[in-house]
Amino acid sequence: ETGVTQTPRHLVMGMTNKKSLKCEQHLGHNAMYWYKQSAKKPLELMFVYSLEERVENNSVPSRFSPECPNSSHLFLHLHTLQPEDSALYLCASSQEGQGGHEQFFGPGTRLTVL
Amino acid sequence: DQQVKQNSPSLSVQEGRISILNCDYTNSMFDYFLWYKKYPAEGPTFLISISSIKDKNEDGRFTVFLNKSAKHLSLHIVPSQPGDSAVYFCAASLYTGGFKTIFGAGTRLFVKA
Repeated sequence: ETGVTQTPRHLVMGMTNKKSLKCEQHLGHNAMYWYKQSAKKPLELMFVYSLEERVENNSVPSRFSPECPNSSHLFLHLHTLQPEDSALYLCASSQEGQGGHEQFFGPGTRLTVL
Repeated sequence: DQQVKQNSPSLSVQEGRISILNCDYTNSMFDYFLWYKKYPAEGPTFLISISSIKDKNEDGRFTVFLNKSAKHLSLHIVPSQPGDSAVYFCAASLYTGGFKTIFGAGTRLFVKA
């Protein structure tokens, strides 16, 4: 595997379900991110982990719970979601401290909440 | 309040001509600007960037221009090719204990053969 991978690619869940999204980066980066992309809206930053510590939480509802067990893995735990949470969830990674700000994205998980 | 705005949701250009994608921002503290390209069913991929201390950066067919006084940047693609058809996201970044990157809503580019 290379780059940033995300599983599952598609997920349909009911409002009472609990599910988790997984992201893995194979680039040796030290920062990872969760973004939400709704139709015709900008990518919304949800969470940032730098050196496995959460440094940013953009007022995301508590029904979204991130977990970063190590620098290569990032999870987004989902519970009691709402239909408006249906969106594309993108994971990204970057190497902080080397000047560039570019992030490397995974293909995303298309989430549908019924 | 959107800090990064791409006011054109779509743009159609003939193959071989120049594509110009525009982006405006509001926060003068941004120190780095980036363009990403996204194909359907894929995540965004980094295309080109520019530091706030520069006004132009060129990479092959892609050139980014930054006008700090107007808080405006643009991406020029010349010549445009059908494979350039994608959604282009403008992004602005600053360091706040970690890189915080704000994205625009994207502009869908259609390059007609």
